[in-house]
Amino acid sequence: DTEVTQTPKHLVMGMTNKKSLKCEQHMGHRAMYWYKQKAKKPPELMFVYSYEKLSINESVPSRFSPECPNSSLLNLHLHALQPEDSALYLCASSHLSWGRDTQYFGPGTRLTVL
Amino acid sequence: AQKITQTQPGMFVQEKEAVTLDCTYDTSDPSYGLFWYKQPSSGEMIFLIYQGSYDQQNATEGRYSLNFQKARKSANLVISASQLGDSAMYFCAMRVGGAGSYQLTFGKGTKLSVIP
Repeated sequence: DTEVTQTPKHLVMGMTNKKSLKCEQHMGHRAMYWYKQKAKKPPELMFVYSYEKLSINESVPSRFSPECPNSSLLNLHLHALQPEDSALYLCASSHLSWGRDTQYFGPGTRLTVL
Repeated sequence: AQKITQTQPGMFVQEKEAVTLDCTYDTSDPSYGLFWYKQPSSGEMIFLIYQGSYDQQNATEGRYSLNFQKARKSANLVISASQLGDSAMYFCAMRVGGAGSYQLTFGKGTKLSVIP
């Protein structure tokens, strides 16, 4: 089973709202990732958690706040977003193994900021 | 720095025909992995196939095969017997180094359209 789930599928929020995106995997993977993807562009890495610790923050604005409550869950807390933050947000996970370390992606959350 | 180049923004293929999607890469690290992902309009990135830099044989997964030419630094995806459901965006990606190396470098993608 290579399933990564994400909720919600769609989210519309105002610039003053606070919302959260949720990601879950039950494959025993030790790394989890958040990506942002604008239309017709490749995904851009935002954050990486390795063994539940933040390993990479790709200079993401503080209005995006990641959280990894346990090895299966990854959240992305959103606050005071801008319209340019509207995008597809993808979560992924991987084993963190030598050699082939495939990242498996969830279906994404389409975020619209009004 | 690592780089992935996909030179075909869009491709058309007749149903049941084979199609090759091009991918060239650039890295000075001898240890790397190459991945192909499919992204339908629904948004999910679906893993298709993997090729390691030390793999002796070209990878195959069902109708997908990877034409790996290490000297030319190319890793083209071949889809045999195209189906309407193959219409999607296809991304080539590379990861350099061993475990603990998280970064996937993506190409800009190729949009494949399968014609009935």
